[in-house]
Parts: sequence; structure tokens; C-alpha cells
Amino acid sequence: GNSVTQMEGPVTLSEEAFLTINCTYTATGYPSLFWYVQYPGEGLQLLLKATKADDKGSNKGFEATYRKETTSFHLEKGSVQVSDSAVYFCALSGAYGNFNKFYFGSGTKLNVKP
Amino acid sequence: EADIYQTPRYLVIGTGKKITLECSQTMGHDKMYWYQQDPGMELHLIHYSYGVNSTEKGDLSSESTVSRIRTEHFPLTLESARPSHTSQYLCASRNTDTQYFGPGTRLTVL
Repeated sequence: GNSVTQMEGPVTLSEEAFLTINCTYTATGYPSLFWYVQYPGEGLQLLLKATKADDKGSNKGFEATYRKETTSFHLEKGSVQVSDSAVYFCALSGAYGNFNKFYFGSGTKLNVKP
Repeated sequence: EADIYQTPRYLVIGTGKKITLECSQTMGHDKMYWYQQDPGMELHLIHYSYGVNSTEKGDLSSESTVSRIRTEHFPLTLESARPSHTSQYLCASRNTDTQYFGPGTRLTVL
């Protein structure tokens, strides 16, 4: 079936460190891939997305590349800030079997220390 | 910027009360969803709708019910709240490929 697996947290970094949050997926067909961010007490916000293989999504210094050969969509940022502290969710949609359903990873909490 | 709203943002009620969580969107999206988010952060789909008069149960069994009489409105009702219903409830709507979330309702049942 379709599923998303992301690295467990929490991830704790110092300000200006490099960030990688791993995400791999299992899906049939040609899904779209997403990263969402959730700040404390709020809903999920779309951070970036990629709709086909080799596409790179980017926003606010974050980026992720849709790698079909490794079924991955790792989130990266070159220099994190304290304000990036949040929970990050990897997701896919548009897979065969249930085109309209979103499959979410379990979330990775990021803590950035000053 | 997505225009999807949830009220109330926070609710504390006693056991046995009937409650309705409101969700509205102004984007004209046909597809809408309700998720329950546990303290461990994982999202569980509890209801979804693909249009007016269409509602389905999601992956997680829930004692709540939903209705979809208007495109923009997708309320969730608990007939008799219990402490096990204490959770964060997130509403979302979807265009062709992207889901947009409301700010959530934090429900506490005493």
C-alpha cells in the first residue's frame, strides 16, 4: 500500500546548522510529494511540494528533490534559525488506489537552539 | 494563503455534552477532510467529503458525525463528548493536488 516514512525526532540543532529530515515513500503510480510545517498551536501549512520525478520544491530556504529512483523526498536547509522550530510532516497524494487521499508521515519535531 | 477557518479554537466541556466544531472555506473546494491529531503528532483521517451531500468515514473509527449541506461548510458533531475525545481536530480542504489546513480546534473533555 501507499505510505510515508520519515525520521523520528526530535532533532535538535544549533542556529545556522545544516538541516536534513529524511523522508521515504511507498506508492504506486505517480504521486505528488509535500512537506508541511506545523508551529505550536496551529494547523499545518504547506512548505513546499513537487509533482513529478526530479522536481525540486523550495520555499523560505528549504528545499526537497523528488527522487523516484530512491523513493525519497528529503527536506534540507542550509542554515536553520530559531524560528524554524516546529514539527515537519512529509506527505504524498495522487497515488493509485486512492487518488484523493493524503498519506502523512508521523512528523519530525525540530528544535533550534540559539 | 489558504482561507479556511475553524471555530472555536479552544473548547473545554464536560462529559456528555453535545458539541459541534465548525469548519468553513472560501476557496470553493469540493474536497474537505477532518483529522484528529494525537499528542504524538500523528494525523488520523476521521471523515472526508468530495462534495455536497457526500460524506465518508476515514481510517480512524470515530464517534463523531459530519454533514456537507453547503460546499463551504463541513461541521463535525459529537453527540455525547467523553474524555477519550480530548484531542486536536484539524479541518482541511483540497484543490487539484494540495491540501490546505485550518488552524485547528483544541478540545478538552473533562
